[in-house]
Amino acid sequence: NAGVTQTPKFRILKIGQSMTLQCTQDMNHNYMYWYRQDPGMGLKLIYYSVGAGITDKGEVPNGYNVSRSTTEDFPLRLELAAPSQTSVYFCASQGGGPTYEQYFGPGTRLTVT
Amino acid sequence: GENVEQHPSTLSVQEGDSAVIKCTYSDSASNYFPWYKQELGKRPQLIIDIRSNVGEKKDQRIAVTLNKTAKHFSLHITETQPEDSAVYFCAASTDSWGKLQFGAGTQVVVTP
Repeated sequence: NAGVTQTPKFRILKIGQSMTLQCTQDMNHNYMYWYRQDPGMGLKLIYYSVGAGITDKGEVPNGYNVSRSTTEDFPLRLELAAPSQTSVYFCASQGGGPTYEQYFGPGTRLTVT
Repeated sequence: GENVEQHPSTLSVQEGDSAVIKCTYSDSASNYFPWYKQELGKRPQLIIDIRSNVGEKKDQRIAVTLNKTAKHFSLHITETQPEDSAVYFCAASTDSWGKLQFGAGTQVVVTP
């Protein structure tokens, strides 16, 4: 079991560029989440999904898009990157019990200059 | 929406002493309160959680207490060890499955 994997680990983008952050889980979890972590600010929810084909906005969705065509994959798309999107991005998944734990991926460190 | 405040932002303790981190939440409908630990450069990992029908939960050296009336919950770490040094995040949710609102985190430093 690889758990939750994310690619890339690091990325530098120029302002206005676009990219997709990849997230895959092999635990057959229905729930998946994207968070961003800014220094000293905790984790903010960007988007989440309760199953394939179903996504919804979190607390800070502006500038991002997601899709969930399969149970395993939950990519995050950044369009027209801005310096304010410089952050560490974590993907997480959550199964159906007995634990309510959200399992996090290793993160992607993104810098927009 | 839910708002979670966490204090203190940094906590320095001597090895062997206890550490206490407190969080308050605003939404009285919140019923699930997990705590995550994040070591430097690593991913957050769940260390303990509690549901609103329970007042206290223990797991070895860590415990969580919940006061629903006052809308606050706390993490207690006893007999701290250097490997307890990390950032700890509290969170709250109105559902065990779904959106978590995280606190800003507490940097715990355990000095030998």
